[in-house]
Amino acid sequence: DVKVTQSSRYLVKRTGEKVFLECVQDMDHENMFWYRQDPGLGLRLIYFSYDVKMKEKGDIPEGYSVSREKKERFSLILESTSTNQTSMYLCASSLRVQETQYFGPGTRLLVL
Amino acid sequence: RKEVEQDPGPFNVPEGATVAFNCTYSNSASQSFFWYRQDCRKEPKLLMSVYSSGNEDGRFTAQLNRASQYISLLIRDSKLSDSATYLCAVNIGLNGGSQGNLIFGKGTKLSVKP
Repeated sequence: DVKVTQSSRYLVKRTGEKVFLECVQDMDHENMFWYRQDPGLGLRLIYFSYDVKMKEKGDIPEGYSVSREKKERFSLILESTSTNQTSMYLCASSLRVQETQYFGPGTRLLVL
Repeated sequence: RKEVEQDPGPFNVPEGATVAFNCTYSNSASQSFFWYRQDCRKEPKLLMSVYSSGNEDGRFTAQLNRASQYISLLIRDSKLSDSATYLCAVNIGLNGGSQGNLIFGKGTKLSVKP
């Protein structure tokens, strides 16, 4: 079974704080993704990575950055949080680009 | 036209009913199609892939209609435990790179009542 884990299930931060969300997958998948999910807006792609040290912007990269230093690990960084970044953040991985994506349990971030 | 569209529902059905959802996609070159299930406050989980010939897994049947560019999910004999949001996912192009990424629909909410 594919396992994707995320570092935190729930986080509460104050505006302006830095947030570091980590995602780890154990299936040697090439591709990793970060999404946010908000009611009525569905899943929106923030960033993705096809290989170590490689990253590409998704649909809503503003206010976010990522890091992929190791194949199994993909981190999402919010340098200075704002209230509009309150959301559910989901990490996913896939073996190949067009194939099934497997999701981690998600991190619910509340920015006050 | 949006790349992937679903009726948001909710679909409220009694136990034992048959219910069907559709998901339309805009790119005729799409090759990969999936249905995911998402429970409230949980992550999406793969329900089934959708193959050209259609496929069935127990009470669930998925079909692809390339001519009309939609996929469907049929649930027979609905159970209370089928209550969830069902997301479709379609890749947006043939090529590698970002064009091959999956695009997710916003989901259709199903509520099965006793």
